[in-house]
Amino acid sequence: AQSVTQPDIHITVSEGASLELRCNYSYGATPYLFWYVQSPGQGLQLLLKYFSGDTLVQGIKGFEAEFKRSQSSFNLRKPSVHWSDAAEYFCAVGAGNTGNQFYFGTGTSLTVIP
Amino acid sequence: DAMVIQNPRYQVTQFGKPVTLSCSQTLNHNVMYWYQQKSSQAPKLLFHYYDKDFNNEADTPDNFQSRRPNTSFCFLDIRSPGLGDAAMYLCATSPAQDTQYFGPGTRLTVL
Repeated sequence: AQSVTQPDIHITVSEGASLELRCNYSYGATPYLFWYVQSPGQGLQLLLKYFSGDTLVQGIKGFEAEFKRSQSSFNLRKPSVHWSDAAEYFCAVGAGNTGNQFYFGTGTSLTVIP
Repeated sequence: DAMVIQNPRYQVTQFGKPVTLSCSQTLNHNVMYWYQQKSSQAPKLLFHYYDKDFNNEADTPDNFQSRRPNTSFCFLDIRSPGLGDAAMYLCATSPAQDTQYFGPGTRLTVL
């Protein structure tokens, strides 16, 4: 069965420090992979996605992610975190018979300290 | 701007009183989704429509129903809300096998 694991429930980083959020997935075929960000009380905003091709994908707000098939991972990175990056981050896999079903990880809550 | 709109943003209902949440889109996407998200949890898919084809998740309670009268609109009906149904309800749309675009959500409170 498809699943997504985000091992870190909560991460705290200092402003200006680098960030890596981990995501591992379980899926038989090549999945569609996504990272979304959610601010409190808001919907989910797409940061970036991977469907095929270059395994390093660039997203909005200076985020990037790398697909590693051998590790079944799709980790999100940012070289220098800003206070406004504090939010909940969700990794998701698009799968299912029609590719239309999303499976979300449980999320990682990011706190940024001055 | 093309977008996903959810109304209302906040809904208060009484225990057992039916409630309907609304979602509309200007993106002309084939697929529309309803998710339930409880505090500090991941969104949980309730069901989705591929055009008019309804797809229910196996563990979605019968208390939850949905209607999609046309491409632009989709409704979530909760027939007899319980306290456990208090949550954020997220609508999303997608072209087939592609990115999902989310609305801002409706926060449901059950008294």
